Amino acid sequence: SAVISQKPSRDICQRGTSLTIQCQVDSQVTMMFWYRQQPGQSLTLIATANQGSEATYESGFVIDKFPISRPNLTFSTLTVSNMSPEDSSIYLCSGGTNSYEQYFGPGTRLTVT
Amino acid sequence: AQTVTQSQPEMSVQEAETVTLSCTYDTSENNYYLFWYKQPPSRQMILVIRQEAYKQQNATENRFSVNFQKAAKSFSLKISDSQLGDTAMYFCAFRGDGGSQGNLIFGKGTKLSVKP
Repeated sequence: SAVISQKPSRDICQRGTSLTIQCQVDSQVTMMFWYRQQPGQSLTLIATANQGSEATYESGFVIDKFPISRPNLTFSTLTVSNMSPEDSSIYLCSGGTNSYEQYFGPGTRLTVT
Repeated sequence: AQTVTQSQPEMSVQEAETVTLSCTYDTSENNYYLFWYKQPPSRQMILVIRQEAYKQQNATENRFSVNFQKAAKSFSLKISDSQLGDTAMYFCAFRGDGGSQGNLIFGKGTKLSVKP
């Protein structure tokens, strides 16, 4: 199994600012993903983080708003740009090596005021 | 497009009893993977159990077992001898294996409360 950590664990940010969330995996993984979980809701995929190339975004999510980097097989960042209160959510990173395994980080709780 | 449906928003069970959480899904793929994740108040997503669609035998992990009915596209989770620590949100998830990118598709979740 893989152990995934995220930083920060939580943050309170002002409207119009940006926050970068880091995701670190303790072993190399083929796939990394970023999910958003709004209060009391299920998880929605934001994008697939591709190593060395641009992320693949799901419908409703754009690179200008959620730029993602993945410089290697163990690390990725998600930036939430020009934040508004609607961006208040938990952001989760996940990773896996095959179709049978996908592990999650502890999430970052973001509050935008 | 694949969808996952959990029809029970909330359930409760007495400690030591058995509870079954329902999940149905829709897909045109023949091979895929199904998962149950647990999310306690700490919000850490924990993999509870997983099932490969091509395996007819139902997966079992200690007190957790599934009833996988491929024809009916049903994947229920049974928790035996419920413990207070089982209190959490439970999410059913689907992952295709037919050239998809590998991301999980989640149901809306079932909030399980285990009462002493």
